[in-house]
Amino acid sequence: VQLQQSGPGLVKPSGTLSLMCTVSGASLITHNWWSWVRQTPGKGLEWIGEIHHSGRINYNPALRSRVIISVDKSKNQFSLKLSSVTAADTAVYYCARAEFIGAVGALFDYWGQGTVVTVSS
Amino acid sequence: EIVMTQSPATLSVSPGERGTLTCRASQSISFNLAWYQHEPGQAPRLLIYGASIRATGIPARFSGSGSGTEFTLTISSLQSEDFAVYYCQQYNKWPGTFGQGTKVEVK
Repeated sequence: VQLQQSGPGLVKPSGTLSLMCTVSGASLITHNWWSWVRQTPGKGLEWIGEIHHSGRINYNPALRSRVIISVDKSKNQFSLKLSSVTAADTAVYYCARAEFIGAVGALFDYWGQGTVVTVSS
Repeated sequence: EIVMTQSPATLSVSPGERGTLTCRASQSISFNLAWYQHEPGQAPRLLIYGASIRATGIPARFSGSGSGTEFTLTISSLQSEDFAVYYCQQYNKWPGTFGQGTKVEVK
């Protein structure tokens, strides 16, 4: 299973961050959920949200008002949009496959390589 | 939200020696804890889940233990490729939360 990320590394303040994750070696149409996680210097690793191929979505409450995660099953891809970005959104963004094993939360068994996104004018 | 606290922040170990990393949860998480290894510029790698179960392909020198609020990751004999940052993550409650990481560096 491989997750390949794509998208711009520079976003202007108040703009929208857009990233794509293409999955190979596995189908999006499984029991798994597909997630976005980011790593900031101040907050460490922070879960952003997750999507299931059925269309069910969960978002981090702290980011919910600005995040949209969507899935394109025909291309085996899922995407992240984060609007109204500020310098605090500067981070390394990862896509990951979420696995639920007998608990309410999920662990992440496969990750993308990460995209460094800088918010700056 | 469950807060995960890792110690130490940096662990200096010589190759071949044992390294022990600790992770504490702000409330009981049963055995629902994972450990990840992260080398700069690479994708994080799942090492351990269920507090003590090695993920597929993970060498036996990595072992995890603990339950409730206190957990340990032990690397029995550090190899050159093991010098990296290690994160714990609880998945007992939604959303999963991560520790701040322990950097394992060459002494």
